[in-house]
Amino acid sequence: GQQLNQSPQSMFIQEGEDVSMNCTSSSIFNTWLWYKQEPGEGPVLLIALYKAGELTSNGRLTAQFGITRKDSFLNISASIPSDVGIYFCAGLSTDTGGFKTIFGAGTRLFVKA
Amino acid sequence: DADVTQTPRNRITKTGKRIMLECSQTKGHDRMYWYRQDPGLGLRLIYYSFDVKDINKGEISDGYSVSRQAQAKFSLSLESAIPNQTALYFCATSDLYEQYFGPGTRLTVT
Repeated sequence: GQQLNQSPQSMFIQEGEDVSMNCTSSSIFNTWLWYKQEPGEGPVLLIALYKAGELTSNGRLTAQFGITRKDSFLNISASIPSDVGIYFCAGLSTDTGGFKTIFGAGTRLFVKA
Repeated sequence: DADVTQTPRNRITKTGKRIMLECSQTKGHDRMYWYRQDPGLGLRLIYYSFDVKDINKGEISDGYSVSRQAQAKFSLSLESAIPNQTALYFCATSDLYEQYFGPGTRLTVT
């Protein structure tokens, strides 16, 4: 079936550093979503992308919808300790095969103060 | 108050028991989803419903069933729980594509 390859699996960074993570797939998606999950909570939507090539920011977060529609990346600038969590990408598609939503396995971010 | 609530938040049950997880939302969305999360595997879609009369299987529906009682309520049932259904279960809602998640139910099947 469809898969999303999310990398890296984990990152250990110093406060103030920039972070970059990405998701790639062999399948085309209509929509890319990026979520953050903290312990004991459900994923929280960070950014939604709807068009190939779209670049969208939400504060220190910037995400892009790849031109091929098969990938997306998320950047976090000037990381702070509260950025700690698991970041998930999700690809959604609606085509003749019906609705599909596929999540990446997540990038676990650790920030050292 | 939370937009998406799930009950129970934690449940321990024995193999073979029937269990129901409930989800309610106040966002007024038509679309609702059930996912399961396992360590290292991300979230996988179990069932989804685009309106009260619409129910669709997701990626991993075997061993599960759902009921959409109203626009705001979507429940997930395990007819005969087995240990490999031990996981974190999330309900989500969406208007179109932006899905909003509940806090999750941690289910342990012994």
